[in-house]
Amino acid sequence: EAQVTQNPRYLITVTGKKLTVTCSQNMNHEYMSWYRQDPGLGLRQIYYSMNVEVTDKGDVPEGYKVSRKEKRNFPLILESPSPNQTSLYFCASQGGLYNEQFFGPGTRLTVL
Amino acid sequence: GDSVTQMEGPVTLSEEAFLTINCTYTATGYPSLFWYVQYPGEGLQLLLKATKADDKGSNKGFEATYRKETTSFHLEKGSVQVSDSAVYFCALANDYKLSFGAGTTVTVRA
Repeated sequence: EAQVTQNPRYLITVTGKKLTVTCSQNMNHEYMSWYRQDPGLGLRQIYYSMNVEVTDKGDVPEGYKVSRKEKRNFPLILESPSPNQTSLYFCASQGGLYNEQFFGPGTRLTVL
Repeated sequence: GDSVTQMEGPVTLSEEAFLTINCTYTATGYPSLFWYVQYPGEGLQLLLKATKADDKGSNKGFEATYRKETTSFHLEKGSVQVSDSAVYFCALANDYKLSFGAGTTVTVRA
């Protein structure tokens, strides 16, 4: 089954404690992206990757890092989480120009 | 830059009512347009798409037509069901960049 998986699905942490949210896709897509969803703001792009070792900032990259060492994986790293990063996070992959994106199930992060 | 504006909710309807959610966009070039749906507790799923002007996307009784002259992609369904209760997002894709509207929460009452 074609899918995008994320782990963990739920995470409660404290300010300053480094964390990683994993994302993996099995569709051999070159393009992957991270979004955060906040009430009234829709989805905002954090980082994206056009291919292995190629990443770039989206609209709200501050406080986040990513890496793309393999085509299927695109982890999101919060080196020093803060309460304003409490949000619902989605990973997505896309198979070609102008195509739709496939989304993971989401990770609900709470930073205390 | 590209942007999407969709009507604010929440929208509350009775079963079998007609649903319209307005969506307009600003973009350079020739973007593709999408409607995504998010059911409670789930991720986003593609509902329908249109890749060029005058295309009509349709799925599960929902329809939307890509109107370049009015830069619009309004979502419609003739007879909603309780199971259509969800958040609906209009989006456009320009190259690999996907831009979303703020989302419209729809609640259908039996």
